[in-house]
Amino acid sequence: GQNIDQPTEMTATEGAIVQINCTYQTSGFNGLFWYQQHAGEAPTFLSYNVLDGLEEKGRFSSFLSRSKGYSYLLLKELQMKDSASYLCAVTDSNYQLIWGAGTKLIIKP
Amino acid sequence: IAGITQAPTSQILAAGRRMTLRCTQDMRHNAMYWYRQDLGLGLRLIHYSNTAGTTGKGEVPDGYSVSRANTDDFPLTLASAVPSQTSVYFCASSEDRGSTGELFFGEGSRLTVL
Repeated sequence: GQNIDQPTEMTATEGAIVQINCTYQTSGFNGLFWYQQHAGEAPTFLSYNVLDGLEEKGRFSSFLSRSKGYSYLLLKELQMKDSASYLCAVTDSNYQLIWGAGTKLIIKP
Repeated sequence: IAGITQAPTSQILAAGRRMTLRCTQDMRHNAMYWYRQDLGLGLRLIHYSNTAGTTGKGEVPDGYSVSRANTDDFPLTLASAVPSQTSVYFCASSEDRGSTGELFFGEGSRLTVL
């Protein structure tokens, strides 16, 4: 079956750096997405990776290794507003989007 | 402001009742989706539509139906609600299904079936 694994919950300190990992086993691969979802709100797009390597976008970066079935989202200079769930999703060979359960990130002062 | 509008935002429903969740987008996207989100689980696709006039079944379609009469609207109907359908429902759209573009989500409809 198809599967996306990511930690259920992580805690980090304001101003620090945190890395949220995502591993996947899917039928083919056509890209990996990261979405941010604040409590009670809709998911919003953060990043998209289809080639190996690091994509940087301000304080957020996303990394992909297709051979390892692995991605991470790196958040720098953490702010309280970064407290949210972070969802990893992979597009398989049929362009079906497979979602992880999300990682709840708690930022402490 | 362009985007996706869902209604209602919240609803409590007696088991056995019929319910339609409404979804409208103004971005002229071809593809639309309905997901449910439950605690501890990833977003699960209920139904999707590649373009107006076509629909398809997702991962958890049983007990739900959809229609896509035009580009903008994609209502989700629960013919006879059951407690296991208590969930948060998100409508989403993308330029095309199968593209590498991002999904745009509505604000969600929180449904409680008693």
